[in-house]
This record gives sequence, structure tokens and C-alpha cells, in this order.
Amino acid sequence: EIVLTQSPATLSLSPGERATLSCRASQSVSTYFAWYQQKPGQAPRLLIHDASNRATGIPARFSGSGSGTDFTLTISSLEPEDFAVYYCQQRSKWLSFGGGTRVDIK
Amino acid sequence: EVQLVESGGGLVQPGGSLRLSCAASGFIFTSYEMNWVRQAPGKGPEWIAYINNGGDSISYADSVKGRFTISRDNAKNSLYLQMDSLRADDTAVYYCVLSVGYWGQGTRVTVSS
Repeated sequence: EIVLTQSPATLSLSPGERATLSCRASQSVSTYFAWYQQKPGQAPRLLIHDASNRATGIPARFSGSGSGTDFTLTISSLEPEDFAVYYCQQRSKWLSFGGGTRVDIK
Repeated sequence: EVQLVESGGGLVQPGGSLRLSCAASGFIFTSYEMNWVRQAPGKGPEWIAYINNGGDSISYADSVKGRFTISRDNAKNSLYLQMDSLRADDTAVYYCVLSVGYWGQGTRVTVSS
């Protein structure tokens, strides 16, 4: 089982600030890695696939980087609609998910 | 456009069974690996089952192994999850998920007496 550890658990920021979220895998997942955003009552929404590729319709302020075991999601300037929970996910072996980072308004 | 539509959820007593279905459209179903992922109230997503495109490679999370069965019918573009011996901690929203990142809207399963 590949364990994903996200940090921090909560990020309190103001609109316009930069958000940096991290995820570490217990073993290499190459670039078989994704980031999701989830809002209450909704299914997770794919933001980044294959570690650094924005999904269709995702704004350019979202960017992903990393490979192997360490990955980062950056939101360059937070918009009001970006306050949500973010999950990382690997698909190198089955699927597994991180515990989530909540981005809330400071 | 990729569409995944789950159905079959509901309220069931502990020890009971349910069969979830997922109708897929907008992509070549036979080319893709599929999964079931669940999310309990207030928790993060949990992967529970995988099936390859041909249906001959299957894997389960330990939490459901021996109780749940994943299957697919490529002729009907459909994915299934047979859930037996249900427990209270199986209460969750169940999602049909393509490994490459598409999700359905989910179907809610509540296990309670």
C-alpha cells in the first residue's frame, strides 16, 4: 500500500495570497499523481493530473510539480472560490489518497 | 464528454446486501481501468476496489476484501459493486472512478438498523 501524507492539515490564508500544499508518498509513484479540490456536498474535482498537467478548464493559478515521492500544489493567488479541501492521489499502484489539506479564510 | 452515473445506493440493515451500478459514457469503456472509491461522512476518499479493462485483474482494500465484489460488463459499458455483509462503517458516498481522474457524482449508502 502506498501511503500519501499531506501537509499542512490546515492552511489559513487571505484572498490574493499564495498557497503551497505538499504531499509525500511512502514510495515512488513516478508522475502517476493527481490533485483534487473538494467542496461540501460535491464530488472531488480533478485539478492536476500526471503531477503537473492542469485538467481541462482549470485556471492557470493552479500549478503542480514534483515526481517520485514529493509533490507540491501551488495556488498563485487565492480567489474566494478556492477555499476548500484539497486531496492528493496516486495511481501508480491501485489508488490511494492523502488525508487532505483544508484551505480556509484567515 | 465523460459521464459516470452511479445508482443502487440506499438504506440497508447491518448484515444486508446492496448492488451498486455505474453507467459509463463518453469514452471507450473497454480501454480504461475502473475503481470504486468511497467517502464516509467528514472523512477523505478511500479506495476500495479496482478492475482492469479486461476484467481479469482485480484488487480490493483490506477493509472490504471478502465482502465486496467488483465486476464490469464491457458490452453494457457498466461497472458494478456487489456489497455483502454490510456494516455500519460501510456508510459512505460511493463513487465510480476512472484511474485517470474522472468521477461520478456518487451514490449514498447508509447501513443502519
